[in-house]
Amino acid sequence: DAGITQSPRYKITETGRQVTLMCHQTWSHSYMFWYRQDLGHGLRLIYYSAAADITDKGEVPDGYVVSRSKTENFPLTLESATRSQTSVYFCASRRGRDNEQFFGPGTRLTVL
Amino acid sequence: DAKTTQPTSMDCAEGRAANLPCNHSTISGNEYVYWYRQIHSQGPQYIIHGLKNNETNEMASLIITEDRKSSTLILPHATLRDTAVYYCIVRSYNTDKLIFGTGTRLQVFP
Repeated sequence: DAGITQSPRYKITETGRQVTLMCHQTWSHSYMFWYRQDLGHGLRLIYYSAAADITDKGEVPDGYVVSRSKTENFPLTLESATRSQTSVYFCASRRGRDNEQFFGPGTRLTVL
Repeated sequence: DAKTTQPTSMDCAEGRAANLPCNHSTISGNEYVYWYRQIHSQGPQYIIHGLKNNETNEMASLIITEDRKSSTLILPHATLRDTAVYYCIVRSYNTDKLIFGTGTRLQVFP
């Protein structure tokens, strides 16, 4: 099906482990984004990408790594997970600068 | 990008118009006003955006004051399914990023 998908939808991991959250979109949108949302808070931008092989930091990039070798994929890696990274992670994509942004269903990550 | 100020929460009776205000007094000439909403734990959903003129689509209307320092999102006939957190965002056309604030929690009651 067309759209934007995230996997896994739920993940429990332990402190210090590496975790990769996947995001895939079928629209060939240029822009892709990663946000995190903590209980009672709005969304905070972690990283974004304007095109394949181009990435840039958002508001809260520390502790995260991204890559974008293909237009349709934008994985987010927590190299050494910490409890403070327990959150819901949303991926989003957008065709161009002045277009609406589409969000995925989210990944709920718990770090024990 | 300019900051926005929204009320923390609002109530609205089902079938009535919901008017959600947003203050963006430091907005500059090339900055757009965007509205998104987030229903429960789902990903945010685009509603509408505008620069200077009022805008309307199938979901809502956006009224921007002449000095552009504030705007109002109008849901003409609110339903229970419109209960959500509504985010008002100001973004420059030259900026790739969309930065969310804390939004307004709209509760539509029967």
